Amino acid sequence: AQTVTQSQPEMSVQEAETVTLSCTYDTSESDYYLFWYKQPPSRQMILVIRQEAYKQQNATENRFSVNFQKAAKSFSLKISDSQLGDAAMYFCAYRSRGEYGNKLVFGAGTILRVKS
Amino acid sequence: DAGVIQSPRHEVTEMGQEVTLRCKPISGHDYLFWYRQTMMRGLELLIYFNNNVPIDDSGMPEDRFSAKMPNASFSTLKIQPSEPRDSAVYFCASGSKETQYFGPGTRLLVL
Repeated sequence: AQTVTQSQPEMSVQEAETVTLSCTYDTSESDYYLFWYKQPPSRQMILVIRQEAYKQQNATENRFSVNFQKAAKSFSLKISDSQLGDAAMYFCAYRSRGEYGNKLVFGAGTILRVKS
Repeated sequence: DAGVIQSPRHEVTEMGQEVTLRCKPISGHDYLFWYRQTMMRGLELLIYFNNNVPIDDSGMPEDRFSAKMPNASFSTLKIQPSEPRDSAVYFCASGSKETQYFGPGTRLLVL
């Protein structure tokens, strides 16, 4: 079974600075998706970014980018120019690409605090 | 598009009562998922549907939980009878084969 590990329960960043959230996963599959979701205090789960494992190029969405290291099974999220609105819980998630690969497996989450 | 719609947003009930949570997925999405989030267990997949058919309900904790999807635009998650340990945030998500989009969640408190 696949597992996702987020080793940082909590992180802090100064406004306008850059922060990196770590995520590692364990799988025997070669083709899959990886995601970062953001959960602000409202509890809404918001998709931040998606990476397909077969793509070597790291995904980027505005101030959010990932460092995908397939061999190391690592998928970190970098937030540049941090804003107060980035404060939230961030979840890393894995999904298989196979026929029945529709389950999202989540990590435990990392709380990000942004200081003004 | 309005996104995934869930109702109610908050529910407070007494132990033993029946609770029904509702979800309207994003139009055109053929997958629908129900998740539960608690401090102790994090985010757990309870059940998911493909084209209105339940595919995997192995995450449903007990027979007290049931889910239906009578058509492509509506799903329910029912708990009968409810217990205090069912208190959690319940999310509905819909999506394609690639990506899932979550609703705002229903915060359930069972007293």
